[in-house]
Amino acid sequence: DAKTTQPTSMDCAEGRAANLPCNHSTISGNEYVYWYRQIHSQGPQYIIHGLKNNETNEMASLIITEDRKSSTLILPHATLRDTAVYYCIVASTGGGNKLTFGTGTQLKVEL
Amino acid sequence: DAGITQSPRHKVTETGTPVTLRCHQTENHRYMYWYRQDPGHGLRLIHYSYGVKDTDKGEVSDGYSVSRSKTEDFLLTLESATSSQTSVYFCAISVVAGLSTDTQYFGPGTRLTVL
Repeated sequence: DAKTTQPTSMDCAEGRAANLPCNHSTISGNEYVYWYRQIHSQGPQYIIHGLKNNETNEMASLIITEDRKSSTLILPHATLRDTAVYYCIVASTGGGNKLTFGTGTQLKVEL
Repeated sequence: DAGITQSPRHKVTETGTPVTLRCHQTENHRYMYWYRQDPGHGLRLIHYSYGVKDTDKGEVSDGYSVSRSKTEDFLLTLESATSSQTSVYFCAISVVAGLSTDTQYFGPGTRLTVL
């Protein structure tokens, strides 16, 4: 599976959009981009995933560049409860996918 | 939570003792996984299962064994626990949704301390 690069930490004001970048320049054609987050020591929580088109759900939006070498997770109106470590993962799918977690981005949402 | 429970949630044990962690799902998902997480690190895959009695090794499988005798349960065993196995252990299941894309959902974790 391809490796990803994320900033170690980011800050965001409550109510503003949080834009979390991820580089995955070696992504393969059949690999998806997944985003998870982990609050304190809870189990990782699935946020969103996509292949090449932009995706949106009730939690976030995922913007994938046309060359698929990078992506951005957007939390449109961040709240204090969005403070967490966010993981960007690329993985193939179908037949069970084994996720490789990096160290992620620590997002701190402040008043 | 996708109906995933882990037991026990916390355990303290001594070096050299056997330990078994249980992951239980309420739905009949085929794929199940065990990860460990150490301070300052992301999760690392220990073992995974792709069906009853079908398991395979992950990135950090040494010192661990697994069993899956029925779809809903995936057991992780430390035959002889060592202090290096002190960690938080997470179980996950893979849910297949449209166009064959898998999404993993994680349990709440088991905090294991080996003294």
